[in-house]
Amino acid sequence: AQKVTQAQTEISVVEKEDVTLDCVYETRDTTYYLFWYKQPPSGELVFLIRRNSFDEQNEISGRYSWNFQKSTSSFNFTITASQVVDSAVYFCALHSGTYKYIFGTGTRLKVLA
Amino acid sequence: NAGVTQTPKFQVLKTGQSMTLQCAQDMNHNSMYWYRQDPGMGLRLIYYSASEGTTDKGEVPNGYNVSRLNKREFSLRLESAAPSQTSVYFCASKGESGGSNEKLFFGSGTQLSVL
Repeated sequence: AQKVTQAQTEISVVEKEDVTLDCVYETRDTTYYLFWYKQPPSGELVFLIRRNSFDEQNEISGRYSWNFQKSTSSFNFTITASQVVDSAVYFCALHSGTYKYIFGTGTRLKVLA
Repeated sequence: NAGVTQTPKFQVLKTGQSMTLQCAQDMNHNSMYWYRQDPGMGLRLIYYSASEGTTDKGEVPNGYNVSRLNKREFSLRLESAAPSQTSVYFCASKGESGGSNEKLFFGSGTQLSVL
């Protein structure tokens, strides 16, 4: 069975703090993709990153970084020096084997000024 | 380039009423999806269409029907709305397999309330 777990329901941090959002996935497939999407208060879903199962290199994009570890089936997302505009719900998703994309339940991040 | 367009943005129904949510994409994508978003439950797949002419059930298909009208359009129908179908509905399409666009592109969502 395929599953994505985001155990952190809600996180609050003060602006400029670093924060890590956890994502743990389950799949028996050897080829799969992992994603992060952001949903700001306006409600739209914004793509952040895609990572395939053969690429365990960490990625950094500005203040955002992603740590992919197949050994622990995790794909964690870190925001460095958080800003109020980072306040959103963040979803981790898994795509493997079929046309289906499986989403986690999301983590609501509140960045306080 | 509009991407994925959903209509309507908001809708209020009475229990038992029917309605169709419309979705169209202009990116020539083969695969299209309908998700619902409920508090604490994330995004759950209702139906998807891998290609024109095919549709398949997702995780929560009961109470819904879909039509893949053509490559561009994928509609979601509630035949007899129930309060449990109060939710935010998202349509999405999937970019070409194997390329950097192999990801879901989402519409802006439909907020549906069933009273």
